[in-house]
Amino acid sequence: EVHLAESGGGLVQPGGSLRLSCVVSGLTFSDHAMGWVRQAPGKGLEWVSVISGVGGVTYYADSVKGRFTVSRDNSRNTLYLQMSSLRADDTAVYYCAKAIAYCDTTTCYTGYNWFDSWGQGTLVTVSS
Amino acid sequence: EIVLTQSPVTLSVSPGESATLSCRASQSISNNLAWYQHKPGQAPRLLIYAASTRATGVPARFSGRGSGTEFALTISSLQSEDFAVYYCQQYNNWPPLLTFGGGTKVEIK
Repeated sequence: EVHLAESGGGLVQPGGSLRLSCVVSGLTFSDHAMGWVRQAPGKGLEWVSVISGVGGVTYYADSVKGRFTVSRDNSRNTLYLQMSSLRADDTAVYYCAKAIAYCDTTTCYTGYNWFDSWGQGTLVTVSS
Repeated sequence: EIVLTQSPVTLSVSPGESATLSCRASQSISNNLAWYQHKPGQAPRLLIYAASTRATGVPARFSGRGSGTEFALTISSLQSEDFAVYYCQQYNNWPPLLTFGGGTKVEIK
């Protein structure tokens, strides 16, 4: 059974930084693209980022591009989200999720990218 | 950017009845659509991908249909555990963008 466990959330001031982690078990981690999805209080789901299995390909939502960086350590079965220049509207529960996506070393292919396993989420609050 | 509009925002249904949720895309997305169930405090759960294919372990009372711009998720004979928020997600203009609909809350009538 696949298990995903996020950590690293907390309270941070506007303009600050935070790094989220997601430890994954129950699969060959490097075989799978992974993503981050967030949910602001009282709002719906919002896609944040996806990274390919070997980590060479990354994609970001426009709302976080240039501020967030997704990475992974396949030797530790861990996904990361480095968040900087945080704003109040980044306040949300952040979920990591296993993506069904097909990517090579340079791109991911259209027609595939949904999330079939999710973690419980970690809350990030950006406030002074 | 493709916008997904879900309707209704809230659907009140009695247990045992069926419910049909709508997801409309702002432009054609072929059948590149997934549906998720989300309960408060829990991880979202994949129900449907490719518009109509049930994910592993999803009961047969959940069915998806549609292509192009109009999609629907039907839950037949609603069980107590089915009351939740449901989201559609498109992956047609991926890469580089994925988008979710605003969600439909299915509540007990």
